[in-house]
Amino acid sequence: EPEVTQTPSHQVTQMGQEVILRCVPISNHLYFYWYRQILGQKVEFLVSFYNNEISEKSEIFDDQFSVERPDGSNFTLKIRSTKLEDSAMYFCASSSNPDSPGYTFGSGTRLTVV
Amino acid sequence: AQSVTQLDSHVSVSEGTPVLLRCNYSSSYSPSLFWYVQHPNKGLQLLLKYTSAATLVKGINGFEAEFKKSETSFHLTKPSAHMSDAAEYFCVVSVPKEYGNKLVFGAGTILRVKS
Repeated sequence: EPEVTQTPSHQVTQMGQEVILRCVPISNHLYFYWYRQILGQKVEFLVSFYNNEISEKSEIFDDQFSVERPDGSNFTLKIRSTKLEDSAMYFCASSSNPDSPGYTFGSGTRLTVV
Repeated sequence: AQSVTQLDSHVSVSEGTPVLLRCNYSSSYSPSLFWYVQHPNKGLQLLLKYTSAATLVKGINGFEAEFKKSETSFHLTKPSAHMSDAAEYFCVVSVPKEYGNKLVFGAGTILRVKS
């Protein structure tokens, strides 16, 4: 069964450093998403991406965050200058058609900012 | 606005007994609803989804959920719990593409299965 692959599974970084979280969506999917889950809190929407541009973003997704699809397969989330409160599990998801919703999530990247 | 409320943060059952995980939703639109499961250190796996077809939805691993519009509920059930069902379960509502194209998660219910 097709999978969404996320790397790395764990990332520890120092406050103020830049991090890039990587995702390989399912190959024929066209819609891509990032969600995050701070420990003990709800899974929260960050951003959706379609046709090489952001289609929707939450208030969490400020100027510190950016997304990119640098080639035909990868979908990345960059945090420019990490803060302690960015520590969370970050999930990538993809779907072929959000009107017939069937998102597939990756296993997540646990980001720890120290 | 879309929201979901999972009524129990923790549920504990004995192996072989029924499981009931409760979810109420609020939606300005005709909702699409989902249940996802997350095993420890694993990703989010789709259990089942409701998209305005049959109100009783069957999912994987023997789970099912019933959409009740009058009660704005979408409770998840399983007749007989297995040890491998121990995990965290999320009730989720989708926001249609024209209004934001995203999922809104409930707070999660941790299911414990006792032997």
